[in-house]
Amino acid sequence: GQQVMQIPQYQHVQEGEDFTTYCNSSTTLSNIQWYKQRPGGHPVFLIQLVKSGEVKKQKRLTFQFGEAKKNSSLHITATQTTDVGTYFCAGPGMKTSYDKVIFGPGTSLSVIP
Amino acid sequence: AAGVIQSPRHLIKEKRETATLKCYPIPRHDTVYWYQQGPGQDPQFLISFYEKMQSDKGSIPDRFSAQQFSDYHSELNMSSLELGDSALYFCASSLDPWAEASTDTQYFGPGTRLTVL
Repeated sequence: GQQVMQIPQYQHVQEGEDFTTYCNSSTTLSNIQWYKQRPGGHPVFLIQLVKSGEVKKQKRLTFQFGEAKKNSSLHITATQTTDVGTYFCAGPGMKTSYDKVIFGPGTSLSVIP
Repeated sequence: AAGVIQSPRHLIKEKRETATLKCYPIPRHDTVYWYQQGPGQDPQFLISFYEKMQSDKGSIPDRFSAQQFSDYHSELNMSSLELGDSALYFCASSLDPWAEASTDTQYFGPGTRLTVL
């Protein structure tokens, strides 16, 4: 079945350093979504990428969708303590676009002040 | 803007009891998803509904059932609760996939924390 993998599983960075998490799918994705979950909170939708090679930016966050639409990355420039949390990528289910999303295992980010 | 509403936010039950979790999607959203998230784990898909019909089924135990009502709210019914059912249960909603706006983006509710003693 379809699998979504993320690396690294954990990342500890000094405040001000950059951070990148990578997401890889075993199959081509029609789109990919990124979510952030703060400790004790619920997943919050960040962005959706649809086009091959697409790059989107949200302030210090840069999201990329690979040319083959099988991988994606999230890069945070100059991390802040407010960036702490787990970042999940998610791809759509295999059948239709409104099926369940397949979450990756997430990358847990810790920022040391 | 209105968000997904879940109730209750916290629930404590004994083993073998039953529990009902409720989810009220964002207005105009007609697709509802249920997820279970154990401690330190990623969300696991349980079941989804589109236009009041079950659209997909994941790792939902036979002891659980769910339905979507005419006003699009959904309820997750859990019976014969076990200790392992203790988890955060998230509901998410999304738009009709054939609508013009971004389709399968899912918006999550705050979750219901279920503790089974």
